[in-house]
Amino acid sequence: EAGVAQSPRYKIIEKRQSVAFWCNPISGHATLYWYQQILGQGPKLLIQFQNNGVVDDSQLPKDRFSAERLKGVDSTLKIQPAKLEDSAVYLCASSLVGLAGSVTQYFGPGTRLLVL
Amino acid sequence: DQQVKQNSPSLSVQEGRISILNCDYTNSMFDYFLWYKKYPAEGPTFLISISSIKDKNEDGRFTVFLNKSAKHLSLHIVPSQPGDSAVYFCAASAHAGKSTFGDGTTLTVKP
Repeated sequence: EAGVAQSPRYKIIEKRQSVAFWCNPISGHATLYWYQQILGQGPKLLIQFQNNGVVDDSQLPKDRFSAERLKGVDSTLKIQPAKLEDSAVYLCASSLVGLAGSVTQYFGPGTRLLVL
Repeated sequence: DQQVKQNSPSLSVQEGRISILNCDYTNSMFDYFLWYKKYPAEGPTFLISISSIKDKNEDGRFTVFLNKSAKHLSLHIVPSQPGDSAVYFCAASAHAGKSTFGDGTTLTVKP
């Protein structure tokens, strides 16, 4: 079974430029997540999709970040314009809801973004 | 307000000994807890989980203990192996909702 795919793996941009990340979840996983992980911290949820609908985007900085999952499969996360503090690893994950409401997430390798 | 806390940023143990990683939480609505393991340049991978209806779950060398009254859980690795060296994240969720992660503990197992 193929895992969660993400691209690109690394990206270096200058502040005020725009950038986009792509994620393809595990086949059949209805739930997709985007996380931001700053060095030394745990992953912080940016947005959660259930199929192509948004479940939670309460921590997404909507003035500069946007995400879509148009066909309920793959997803893109965009930052425009980027700031220095956006330098982080952006993780995509997908999941099924299991027994007793358990939710095990499967993560992609992440995209490491450096904003100069 | 950080709802999931891993107070030890790092832990070093000798190969063959027990590793104990700790995690505290503040939200009493959390009912499902997970541990993830992360190697450099990779995404976190699921290790073991526990529901709030249990106080222990075991999978091979890995055991997770949950103390609901203390809002505390721990991950025990016995015996520890050099390949266990990684960052370990504790995560918690409520009613199959989003997971909240701690900041991780870096485990180093010395040969």
